[in-house]
Amino acid sequence: AQSVTQPDIHITVSEGASLELRCNYSYGATPYLFWYVQSPGQGLQLLLKYFSGDTLVQGIKGFEAEFKRSQSSFNLRKPSVHWSDAAEYFCAVYMNRDDKIIFGKGTRLHILP
Amino acid sequence: GAVVSQHPSRVICKSGTSVKIECRSLDFQATTMFWYRQFPKQSLMLMATSNEGSKATYEQGVEKDKFLINHASLTLSTLTVTSAHPEDSSFYICSASDRFPLYTFGSGTRLTVV
Repeated sequence: AQSVTQPDIHITVSEGASLELRCNYSYGATPYLFWYVQSPGQGLQLLLKYFSGDTLVQGIKGFEAEFKRSQSSFNLRKPSVHWSDAAEYFCAVYMNRDDKIIFGKGTRLHILP
Repeated sequence: GAVVSQHPSRVICKSGTSVKIECRSLDFQATTMFWYRQFPKQSLMLMATSNEGSKATYEQGVEKDKFLINHASLTLSTLTVTSAHPEDSSFYICSASDRFPLYTFGSGTRLTVV
């Protein structure tokens, strides 16, 4: 069955430190992959997406993600986090066969001053 | 860019009453919209796919009679929670796509049933 796994429920990093949020997916076909960010009580904002081509994609707010087909992963990275990056991050896969998006359980990012 | 407006952002209702949530695509037409439910500190669970001019497609386990979806125009889908109970309290989010497969999300509706 198709699924998206974010193994880390919570991650805490110090401001200015680097960040990597993990995402693994299970899907038979070539996936469309997304990372979204959600602030408390808000909707979701698209950070970046991968459809095809270059496996390293750049997004907004200094985020990037790398698609690794061999590992079925799409990890999100940022070289230096800011206090404003504290939020919930969701990895998602678009399922073409069913025309819908499924989400991972999310990773809550905490930033230490 | 594409904008999806959701209204109201917060609503409190009494148990047994019905509540309607609107989802509008402001600058594009959306033949399909999606409704999600999010429990506290959890992920988004797809409830149903709203199709303009036809019946919604509900995910397994979602009560069709409890969560009525109407997609009467290309820019508006509504979710009505009928005979609401405290367990229906949740954060509801809609989304729509103006350019496959990019999806824009509304800002969500916090429903509290007392």
